[in-house]
Formats: sequence, C-alpha cells, structure tokens
Amino acid sequence: KQEVTQIPAALSVPEGENLVLNCSFTDSAIYNLQWFRQDPGKGLTSLLLIQSSQREQTSGRLNASLDKSSGRSTLYIAASQPGDSATYLCAVIAGANNLFFGTGTRLTVIP
Amino acid sequence: KAGVTQTPRYLIKTRGQQVTLSCSPISGHRSVSWYQQTPGQGLQFLFEYFSETQRNKGNFPGRFSGRQFSNSRSEMNVSTLELGDSALYLCASTKTGGPLVETQYFGPGTRLLVL
Repeated sequence: KQEVTQIPAALSVPEGENLVLNCSFTDSAIYNLQWFRQDPGKGLTSLLLIQSSQREQTSGRLNASLDKSSGRSTLYIAASQPGDSATYLCAVIAGANNLFFGTGTRLTVIP
Repeated sequence: KAGVTQTPRYLIKTRGQQVTLSCSPISGHRSVSWYQQTPGQGLQFLFEYFSETQRNKGNFPGRFSGRQFSNSRSEMNVSTLELGDSALYLCASTKTGGPLVETQYFGPGTRLLVL
C-alpha cells in the first residue's frame, strides 16, 4: 500500500524566509502528485499538480518538484508571508486511481 | 461564480443511524469527489462521480455510498453509523477530468459527530 510521509510535521519561520516542505512516498508508480493547503475553517485549496512525466510546476512564489525514482517531492515557498501559515498536504495518485494523502506540515510564518 | 457548497455544515447522529450529505459543485463542473478527514487517519479519498456514474473509488466499506444527479449535485450516504465515522467530510469539484488530473475546488466540509 502506498504510504505518504511529510517532514517536518510542523515548521515555524520568520517572515521573508524561503522554505522547503518535503513529501516522500513508498511506491514510485504514481500518476501524478498534488500539493494542497488547508486553512482552519476555510477548507482545502489545491496549489499545484505535477503530472508523472513532469519534474516541476510553478505558481507565483510556489515551486513544486517531483523525483519519482527517489519517491520524493518538495514544495518551495519563496519570501514567506504570514498569510502562508496553514497546513500543507501532498497527495499522490496511484494504484486503482486512488489518492493517498500525506500527514501534512503545519507551517507558521512569524511576522 | 459561486463556490462548492456543502450541506449541512454540522451534523450529530447516533450509532446505527444513517446520514446523507449533500454537495453542489461549481456551476459547469461535472466531477464531484468526496473525502473523509479524521485526526487518526488523516485525509482519505472516498469516491468520485462524473456524469452520474462512479468513476473512481477509494478503500472504504460498502456502508459508504454516493450518487450524482443530472445537475451534477452529489450526495453521500453512510449507513449504520459507527463512532469512527465521526469526521470532516469534504467534497471537491472539477470540470471534467476529476481529482486525478485537474485542479480541485473544495467545499467547506460537513462535520459529522457520531455519538
């Protein structure tokens, strides 16, 4: 069974710092990988979707990379802002079209 | 454009009862997916509906079922509720491709408490 792990579980950084969130998965036979953010009381927001044939995707200050062979993805956030504070989740699509979510990284950006 | 709406927002039921949750996708979106989020198991994919047909399914028992109507609105049903079914249930919509290939738009969720 696919297992998705996110490290660290929690992260606090001062405003303006660049940071990297990590996601690892056990089975490299994935179709794609997605990153989400979850805000308390505001639900889930899709951030980036990387197809299995792609190496990275960028959206504004966010850049996500995918290395299928090593079973890893990273989400890079540039020039962090307090509004970036949220829980970040990655999910891989594998098996019989099932989505497997990671445990999440709770990010706090300190003004 | 209105976002994804879910009703009810909060629900309390007792063990053994059944429950029906509703999700209205963004106008023009035809794919609706359902997720369960619990502190212990995290976020898990339940199933996806497209054009009134279940297109993808996660690993949940048959007590969890769903359907989609011709206007793309979807309902999720859980029968014979168990304490472990207490969770936040999220639905998400995409235009046509579904959660595997398209950006999803999520509703605020329905929080179910089973006593």
